[in-house]
Amino acid sequence: DAGITQSPRYKITETGRQVTLMCHQTWSHSYMFWYRQDLGHGLRLIYYSAAADITDKGEVPDGYVVSRSKTENFPLTLESATRSQTSVYFCASSEYGQGLGGAEAFFGQGTRLTVV
Amino acid sequence: AQTVTQSQPEMSVQEAETVTLSCTYDTSENNYYLFWYKQPPSRQMILVIRQEAYKQQNATENRFSVNFQKAAKSFSLKISDSQLGDTAMYFCALGSNYKLTFGKGTLLTVNP
Repeated sequence: DAGITQSPRYKITETGRQVTLMCHQTWSHSYMFWYRQDLGHGLRLIYYSAAADITDKGEVPDGYVVSRSKTENFPLTLESATRSQTSVYFCASSEYGQGLGGAEAFFGQGTRLTVV
Repeated sequence: AQTVTQSQPEMSVQEAETVTLSCTYDTSENNYYLFWYKQPPSRQMILVIRQEAYKQQNATENRFSVNFQKAAKSFSLKISDSQLGDTAMYFCALGSNYKLTFGKGTLLTVNP
């Protein structure tokens, strides 16, 4: 099916563990994004990628690592999870970079991560 | 740096009435776009409407329209004939410098 999918939908992990959230899109969009959504903060950009092997930091990158070896995948890794990283994480993709055109960003269903 | 401010954390409206959600933004970029996204309880993010900054004409999509005041850096969303299905969190977003920056959101409740 065409679209953007995230896995898992829900995850509980322990403090200090490494966890990877997966994101896959089927449109071959150049740009992909990771956001976290927290009450009172809206969506904040963690990392984004303009193409395979090109990534850049967003507003809140500390404690996260990304990679993009293939255009369609953009995994987000929490190297050593902390309780402050408990959040809902959204992956998104768009055909081109924001500001270059009014490209709609398509979002995955989100991953609810709880760090205990 | 680019910022988006939504000053109304929560709003409510009666079914069939009109409601306006406020948004202000700041950017030093000349090329940018503005968006309103809707997030219903399902958590799915859905594009409601978009506005190209270089266009003076306000965008409209059926019952949704915007009031774009470029000099004031204001971008409000008007929902006419509100429906129960419009109940959702609404996010104003600024697209520039390759990325999308969101406001904190306004929770809109449509009452029967």
